[in-house]
Amino acid sequence: ETGVTQTPRHLVMGMTNKKSLKCEQHLGHNAMYWYKQSAKKPLELMFVYSLEERVENNSVPSRFSPECPNSSHLFLHLHTLQPEDSALYLCASSQEPGRGNTEAFFGQGTRLTVV
Amino acid sequence: AQSVSQHNHHVILSEAASLELGCNYSYGGTVNLFWYVQYPGQHLQLLLKYFSGDPLVKGIKGFEAEFIKSKFSFNLRKPSVQWSDTAEYFCAVNDPNAGNMLTFGGGTRLMVKP
Repeated sequence: ETGVTQTPRHLVMGMTNKKSLKCEQHLGHNAMYWYKQSAKKPLELMFVYSLEERVENNSVPSRFSPECPNSSHLFLHLHTLQPEDSALYLCASSQEPGRGNTEAFFGQGTRLTVV
Repeated sequence: AQSVSQHNHHVILSEAASLELGCNYSYGGTVNLFWYVQYPGQHLQLLLKYFSGDPLVKGIKGFEAEFIKSKFSFNLRKPSVQWSDTAEYFCAVNDPNAGNMLTFGGGTRLMVKP
C-alpha cells in the first residue's frame, strides 16, 4: 500500500454517462495530481492541486472536471467521454516543493473503458 | 517545457544479464530525477531518486542510476537482472522551481527470461 487509494479500480461507462473517480491520500501531503496512462504514450499530467487550489491544467478537455474538496481527497468527474479516453487514470500525491522530499506516491489507478 | 526521452521501448534480457536503460531530459537547470517501476498489475513505485550530492544513486533491489549533468542523462543500471525485474520502468524529472510536477518518459518495458 502506498497511502494513496483510488476507487473504483475498474470502470466501464457509456459515452452519455456521468461518473466520478475518487482518490484519497493518508500521507499528509499538500499536493495531489491526476495522470492519464494510455497504451504506447507517456504518462500525461492532467491536473495539479496544491493546497486545494488548482495550479495546473494541461489543456485537458472540459469533459474531465477535477474537484479537490480538501487536501486528502481528489475527484475526477467524467461526462460525455469518448472511446479514446479509455486509459488508466492515476492519482498521486506529494509534499509541496521547498518542503524537503518531493517524491510522488501513486495510487493503483482506475482502469476506465468508454464504450 | 520539460521533456524526457527513454530511447529503449522494449528490452528483453536473460537472467543474470546486465541492464542499462537510458534516460535523457531537456531542462538545463537544477532538477530532481526519479526512476519509477510498475510491476504487472501493480502501482507505480519509486526505485530511486536524485536530488543533490553524489551523482551515483543507489536504489532498491540492486538498482542504481548515474546523473551526468553534462549529458542531461540519468541512466538506470543493474549488474544482474532477475526474472522478478520484469516490469515497466519510467524515468521522471521535475523542476523544483516550477512546481512539483513530474514529467515522465515514455517508459521501457523490460522482460527477463528465466
